[in-house]
Amino acid sequence: QVQLVQSGAEVKKPGASVKVSCKASGYTFTSYDINWVRQATGQGLEWMGWMNPNSGNTGYAQKFQGRVTMTRNTSISTAYMELSSLRSEDTAVYYCARATRIAASLHLYYYYMDVWGKGTTVTVSS
Amino acid sequence: EIVLTQSPGTLSLSPGERATLSCRASQSVSSSYLAWYQQKPGQAPRLLIYGASSRATGIPDRFSGSGSGTDFTLTISRLEPEDFAVYYCQQYGSSRALTFGGGTKVEIK
Repeated sequence: QVQLVQSGAEVKKPGASVKVSCKASGYTFTSYDINWVRQATGQGLEWMGWMNPNSGNTGYAQKFQGRVTMTRNTSISTAYMELSSLRSEDTAVYYCARATRIAASLHLYYYYMDVWGKGTTVTVSS
Repeated sequence: EIVLTQSPGTLSLSPGERATLSCRASQSVSSSYLAWYQQKPGQAPRLLIYGASSRATGIPDRFSGSGSGTDFTLTISRLEPEDFAVYYCQQYGSSRALTFGGGTKVEIK
């Protein structure tokens, strides 16, 4: 079945970096964008950015520019999100999600996240 | 950046009642790029609606989406016990940036 399996929980000190992985199975990894979304405890969803696994092209939310890097290894169908210069406010659950972009009509497309990983808890604490 | 404002913040209803959730955008959004998600405690979000009104695979027909421009609505026609959750709207805009609304919690009255 189609699924995204994320790496396990991480505990990091302020100033460190964290790299979360997201392994895809059940579909062609290079055919769908991967987006990263995070959620602090009791808070809403926050979009971090996208990556096209085929080209490696990325786009990041302005808030995370300069601190986040999204990469992939197509040979093992795995996407990665690395966040640097961690601070306590980065403590959150980090989700990867497959994004489907399909034609709605001649010049219109749908774009939505239809498969999600279970999330990776990242705790930043001294 | 387009801001999505969801209202109300919390909706207290009983099973069997109708739920109407609002998502208002700070500027016009293409309907094809408006989606709704459901999230239960301890779980990842689940896609409910895409293209403002198309139900995702396996989503019951008591869920419906509507709207255009800056005003979008998610309606749950008759609440089932498993529908009590938090609902988020999301838009995909220019420069391929995504934004989420702040969420509406549907709780049991």
